[in-house]
Amino acid sequence: QVQLQESGPGLVKPSQTLSLTCTVSGASISSGSHYWNWIRQPAGKGLEWIGRFYSSGNTNYNPSLRSRVTISVDTSKNQFSLKLSSVTAADTAVYYCASQLRSKDNLAYWGQGSLVTVSS
Amino acid sequence: SYVLTQPPSVSVAPGKTARITCGGNNIGSKSVHWYQQKPGQAPVPVIHYDSDRPSGIPERFSGSNSGNTATLTISRVVAGDEADYSCQVWDSSGDHGVFGGGTKVTVL
Repeated sequence: QVQLQESGPGLVKPSQTLSLTCTVSGASISSGSHYWNWIRQPAGKGLEWIGRFYSSGNTNYNPSLRSRVTISVDTSKNQFSLKLSSVTAADTAVYYCASQLRSKDNLAYWGQGSLVTVSS
Repeated sequence: SYVLTQPPSVSVAPGKTARITCGGNNIGSKSVHWYQQKPGQAPVPVIHYDSDRPSGIPERFSGSNSGNTATLTISRVVAGDEADYSCQVWDSSGDHGVFGGGTKVTVL
């Protein structure tokens, strides 16, 4: 059973970079067997897919966020990370990490979510 | 970009059937995944690949997908089914995820 846990600052100032980490247990990121995703959800709104990392350095990003997003992994810590630059209040949301086995599978495993507020 | 459209809300009496739609251009050619989300909790998969149930999901949950509409059906609704339900697909390239706006199911 794959378990995911998000961590990172709960408050980020406008124009700065949001950084979150997802720690994985029950699976090895270095094995290349999963796709590692980030999703967010503003309060009272729907889910928005941000992007994913898979297979030795490949990434896919939401076209609407691509210019500001970077997803990377640290295999030594079995973690993957999200960086979102130049944040505004519109980036305030609960951020989830999630995993899938194959490219068109559902997002089978989710973290509990991490609230990030963008405010000065 | 691909767009999925869901009704904002659906109300259903206990014991009755709730149907939640997810509209998209030729969505029948894609595989649709459904998630249940209760307040303050992470989404939980309830249907994958249009109509398959993950382990542990009651048989009361079923799905279908044809033409421009996918449907999640919850039979014999109970109070514990009250939640937000979201559909999700991968776009034509297979590289980008897309979610519907979510439907709040209220059990009367």
